[in-house]
Amino acid sequence: DQQVKQNSPSLSVQEGRISILNCDYTNSMFDYFLWYKKYPAEGPTFLISISSIKDKNEDGRFTVFLNKSAKHLSLHIVPSQPGGSAVYFCAASLNSGNTGKLIFGQGTTLQVKP
Amino acid sequence: KAGVTQTPRYLIKTRGQQVTLSCSPISGHRSVSWYQQTPGQGLQFLFEYFSETQRNKGNFPGRFSGRQFSNSRSEMNVSTLELGDSALYLCASRPGTGLSPPRAGELFFGEGSRLTVL
Repeated sequence: DQQVKQNSPSLSVQEGRISILNCDYTNSMFDYFLWYKKYPAEGPTFLISISSIKDKNEDGRFTVFLNKSAKHLSLHIVPSQPGGSAVYFCAASLNSGNTGKLIFGQGTTLQVKP
Repeated sequence: KAGVTQTPRYLIKTRGQQVTLSCSPISGHRSVSWYQQTPGQGLQFLFEYFSETQRNKGNFPGRFSGRQFSNSRSEMNVSTLELGDSALYLCASRPGTGLSPPRAGELFFGEGSRLTVL
């Protein structure tokens, strides 16, 4: 039972354009959502998070949108940069994020073309 | 400060053997979680330890076990290895206390231990 799904295994965008990565979840009890980025041979690194009491959170080039009624979140990256080519994972948790247990999606490989 | 350190980085085992992986969290972090990453499956939660106690456990068979020591270092063990256990095993740490969102859920990951079972 995949509670967090990233239905696009890969995405290719031009440098300088917007990248939009999508994520769906099934468990309405999730109250905290995160995005991580992973390069090959490295561990995932935290990008941005959002609490379920909000519908938008912004941090520099990264904005996460949460649509609770649709159980959908998206990560917008503006502008996309070549160094941003990586695998992006969305994750969800309970307990307002105060837990080491995250439920991850399968990841979306983003390729940013120069 | 130093990040999360995992050893060994790479190892090869044969079916039926057992393996122990080690994780040293960021200094001051009391919570350590373990994840398994396989192609197409994303990261799957194995277990979380906090102050030497298992706090959460994922849906893995009993062959997968872990422990945490008083200095917060953690080990995970997989017994009777199967071919399907070949994966990248990631350890992540977090302070465990004293943080509130938006940083409360942030896990700091190590580079992982890549296990190949032949």
